[in-house]
Amino acid sequence: GIQVEQSPPDLILQEGANSTLRCNFSDSVNNLQWFHQNPWGQLINLFYIPSGTKQNGRLSATTVATERYSLLYISSSQTTDSGVYFCAVTYNQGGKLIFGQGTELSVKP
Amino acid sequence: SAVISQKPSRDICQRGTSLTIQCQVDSQVTMMFWYRQQPGQSLTLIATANQGSEATYESGFVIDKFPISRPNLTFSTLTVSNMSPEDSSIYLCSVEHVGQRQETQYFGPGTRLLVL
Repeated sequence: GIQVEQSPPDLILQEGANSTLRCNFSDSVNNLQWFHQNPWGQLINLFYIPSGTKQNGRLSATTVATERYSLLYISSSQTTDSGVYFCAVTYNQGGKLIFGQGTELSVKP
Repeated sequence: SAVISQKPSRDICQRGTSLTIQCQVDSQVTMMFWYRQQPGQSLTLIATANQGSEATYESGFVIDKFPISRPNLTFSTLTVSNMSPEDSSIYLCSVEHVGQRQETQYFGPGTRLLVL
């Protein structure tokens, strides 16, 4: 089956710093989503981005489908950005999401 | 988007017992899913809950352990049967929302289960 790898596994930032999270996938995908899991466990949709670039405030994402990777950019990080960021893909009909192992981000004040 | 609620939000259970988790959506959806997140791990799909028919289970998950019901397009239940400490996890339901040129999954708040 398809493999989804995220890097780095852990990241510690000072408030105000920028960061880039990466997601590599091993085969063509129909759908790619980025999620943020906050410290209380809630999964929040960030982006639906099977290709191209999107921006939402301090966050932006780019997926290069032909090269099988996606990047999530966080600018001017805040302590509320802390949590785990997941990349997840679907590669066939039926909507089943395959998750990467996540990047755990900690933003220090 | 879809608003999803789960009950209970958390529970502590004794081994050998069973727990049924409910998932309610505020609109009719075709696709509903159940995921498990073991401590410190990523999410793994348990099964697709099909309305009016048996759920479709992923490799490593069986109906006897995780029976699922889907009586209508807004509600589903997952039962964790004959629990052991290894079943301690967060259980999340999700739904697929089909919009303009995109199919996005939204997740419920999860049920935190601790088995003693």
